[in-house]
Amino acid sequence: DVKVTQSSRYLVKRTGEKVFLECVQDMDHENMFWYRQDPGLGLRLIYFSYDVKMKEKGDIPEGYSVSREKKERFSLILESASTNQTSMYLCATLTSLSYEQYFGPGTRLTVT
Amino acid sequence: GQSLEQPSEVTAVEGAIVQINCTYQTSGFYGLSWYQQHDGGAPTFLSYNALDGLEETGRFSSFLSRSDSYGYLLLQELQMKDSASYFCAVRDRNYGQNFVFGPGTRLSVLP
Repeated sequence: DVKVTQSSRYLVKRTGEKVFLECVQDMDHENMFWYRQDPGLGLRLIYFSYDVKMKEKGDIPEGYSVSREKKERFSLILESASTNQTSMYLCATLTSLSYEQYFGPGTRLTVT
Repeated sequence: GQSLEQPSEVTAVEGAIVQINCTYQTSGFYGLSWYQQHDGGAPTFLSYNALDGLEETGRFSSFLSRSDSYGYLLLQELQMKDSASYFCAVRDRNYGQNFVFGPGTRLSVLP
């Protein structure tokens, strides 16, 4: 079974703090994604990576950065957290040979 | 760009059949996926259609009409555990390996 884990299920941070969300997968998938999920808006792509040290912007990259130093690990960084970044953050993986994305359990981030 | 539309909510009773529609607009359609997400859980993959027609997997079926830019998820013999949100997602060849997700449909199954 593919396993995608995220570093925290719940996180509370203050405005202006630097926040790190980490995602780890154990299936050697090339592609990794960070989404945020908000009610009525579905899942929106923040950043994705198709290989180590490679990253591409998604639909809503502003205020975020990412890092992929190892194939199994993809980190999302909020350089200076703001209240409008309060959301559910979901990590996902995908092998290039397939169409099935595997999602982590999500991190519910609250910025106060 | 891409856009997808789904009904926001659907309600049905146990044992019934329900259809969740998804219409999309995209310049380089490649395939349509469906995901299920229970409250507090992660989205899980249900189906993928790249060609027109119906794909059946147990109680769930997914249909695609590329000419109409339309698909649906059909859930039969509804069970209480089917209460969840359902998302369609389009794979666009102009968008690399990425999927664009619809806003989701909340299905409530009543006893």
